[in-house]
Amino acid sequence: AQSVTQPDIHITVSEGASLELRCNYSYGATPYLFWYVQSPGQGLQLLLKYFSGDTLVQGIKGFEAEFKRSQSSFNLRKPSVHWSDAAEYFCAVGVRTTSGTYKYIFGTGTRLKVLA
Amino acid sequence: DADVTQTPRNRITKTGKRIMLECSQTKGHDRMYWYRQDPGLGLRLIYYSFDVKDINKGEISDGYSVSRQAQAKFSLSLESAIPNQTALYFCATSDRTGYDEQFFGPGTRLTVL
Repeated sequence: AQSVTQPDIHITVSEGASLELRCNYSYGATPYLFWYVQSPGQGLQLLLKYFSGDTLVQGIKGFEAEFKRSQSSFNLRKPSVHWSDAAEYFCAVGVRTTSGTYKYIFGTGTRLKVLA
Repeated sequence: DADVTQTPRNRITKTGKRIMLECSQTKGHDRMYWYRQDPGLGLRLIYYSFDVKDINKGEISDGYSVSRQAQAKFSLSLESAIPNQTALYFCATSDRTGYDEQFFGPGTRLTVL
């Protein structure tokens, strides 16, 4: 069955430190992968996405993610975290339905806390 | 103005009441989705619609129904609300390809007492 695992429920980092949020997926075909961010009281905003090609993708707000097929992973990184990055982060995979269309499966999220 | 709007933003209701959550979009997208978010469970798909005549159940459709009144409008109903339907509900849209970015509304926080 298709699934997305975000093993870290909470992560705390100091402002200026580097960040890596983990995401592993289970899907038999070529995945379409996404990272979304949810700020407190807000909806979800797309950070970046991977469909094909270069396995290192750049997103908004200085984030990047690397697709590693051999590890079934799509980890999100940022070299230097800002206090405004405190939010919840969701990894998602687009899976093909029986009708040939696509829908998303989301991970359970990682809540990031940033220390001043 | 927001591209995807949800009304109401907050709602408190009692067990057994019928509730409708509404979603409207100005993005011109064919595809619309309803998700439910619970702490520690992420987002789970309730229903999705690929056009006005095409409605599909998601992974947790029991206790919910939907109506796609127009391309731009997709409503979620709880016919008889129960406490474990207390959650944050999100509407989302995507373009015809379906695997491209989904655009989310601001969410509706529903509390069932």
